Amino acid sequence: RKEVEQDPGPFNVPEGATVAFNCTYSNSASQSFFWYRQDCRKEPKLLMSVYSSGNEDGRFTAQLNRASQYISLLIRDSKLSDSATYLCVVNSGRLAFGKGNQVVVIP
Amino acid sequence: EAGVVQSPRYKIIEKKQPVAFWCNPISGHNTLYWYRQNLGQGPELLIRYENEEAVDDSQLPKDRFSAERLKGVDSTLKIQPAELGDSAVYLCASTGPGGLFNGELFFGEGSRLTVL
Repeated sequence: RKEVEQDPGPFNVPEGATVAFNCTYSNSASQSFFWYRQDCRKEPKLLMSVYSSGNEDGRFTAQLNRASQYISLLIRDSKLSDSATYLCVVNSGRLAFGKGNQVVVIP
Repeated sequence: EAGVVQSPRYKIIEKKQPVAFWCNPISGHNTLYWYRQNLGQGPELLIRYENEEAVDDSQLPKDRFSAERLKGVDSTLKIQPAELGDSAVYLCASTGPGGLFNGELFFGEGSRLTVL
């Protein structure tokens, strides 16, 4: 089983709609969790950390479920500029990346 | 402030040839990483340095890959000889103190390798 698993999609989302996706991780001792954003042919950049209590950053909401070992990302009121690949990252002594969820926001 | 600088941005070589990539991390960042990203996949760690010491190289294919960070600043990743399956983007990243805790890796733009 892979350390971090994501459904690559693509997730085709109408502009203004809400999209959500999950990421599962295998190591129950994982310490911290993050979402990165990667634009096409660009380097990954940190989007947000994921806290146990859940956290929001504008239109983005991240949740952590330790019991079921998954984290989620929800994007509200999708913009065309949200089109990117969202990489789930888990820290269990080293940062392990998922393969990403590709989001395509459609006008 | 300058970000992580990598060169070359693109490299095309024939199989069995050697290739080297160079990375200069953000000034003051002691931790340096080399990742490999295949098409449609997330980055996979090859090696992590704390200053000049390689503290995690368990996923580096040591038969053909080597890396060095002699003075604890810039780093070189070498492949010799290259194989077709080495075609990928090689990403360098760096973090300052507490980097793994806050999860913020600063990546360079990457070196895209094509092996023919």
